[in-house]
Amino acid sequence: QQPVQSPQAVILREGEDAVINCSSSKALYSVHWYRQKHGEAPVFLMILLKGGEQKGHDKISASFNEKKQQSSLYLTASQLSYSGTYFCGTLSGGGADGLTFGKGTHLIIQP
Amino acid sequence: GAGVSQSPRYKVAKRGQDVALRCDPISGHVSLFWYQQALGQGPEFLTYFQNEAQLDKSGLPSDRFFAERPEGSVSTLKIQRTQQEDSAVYLCASSLAGDIFRNNEQFFGPGTRLTVL
Repeated sequence: QQPVQSPQAVILREGEDAVINCSSSKALYSVHWYRQKHGEAPVFLMILLKGGEQKGHDKISASFNEKKQQSSLYLTASQLSYSGTYFCGTLSGGGADGLTFGKGTHLIIQP
Repeated sequence: GAGVSQSPRYKVAKRGQDVALRCDPISGHVSLFWYQQALGQGPEFLTYFQNEAQLDKSGLPSDRFFAERPEGSVSTLKIQRTQQEDSAVYLCASSLAGDIFRNNEQFFGPGTRLTVL
């Protein structure tokens, strides 16, 4: 089953913060976050493993709540380059061997 | 080194034609995935190879879709008797690990945009 992402779209001014959520009805082994710009390949951001870890680099971080099967991506002090569509991809034990992606969250950063 | 490459980047086919889409993964990557991405949607998993072995083809939508990776490097996704609903971007991704639970990132290629008229 496809994870549910929210919100569907966000419009921010440069420098503002954003949170993108991803939730699943299945027990998850890991959550993978990607950003895709129009007409380009998805670009890897980070992987989070079960165990409730958090990760981050630069001004992008994420958390994974294994009990709730939820992950959140945090973008702080957003830059114009952050614009794009963010996808979470999930991996479940016993499921397909590929990632199951959500429908994406469109992020628009305005100057 | 080079990333994942795919060819052709764009393909227009008439309904009923057969098409072949090629993926060149990153050298040394054991795992290779094919995904289908419809307009405005997230990628949907089609099939997975570990070296030359096709370990999962549960996402292939019909028996018109066939994928192979005979020497464990380059892969080809073939669609027979194309239909309009096959129009989408077909993405290939590769990963260093041979075990999907090793949690290595998947590197995506630029995709092939298939339009079936």
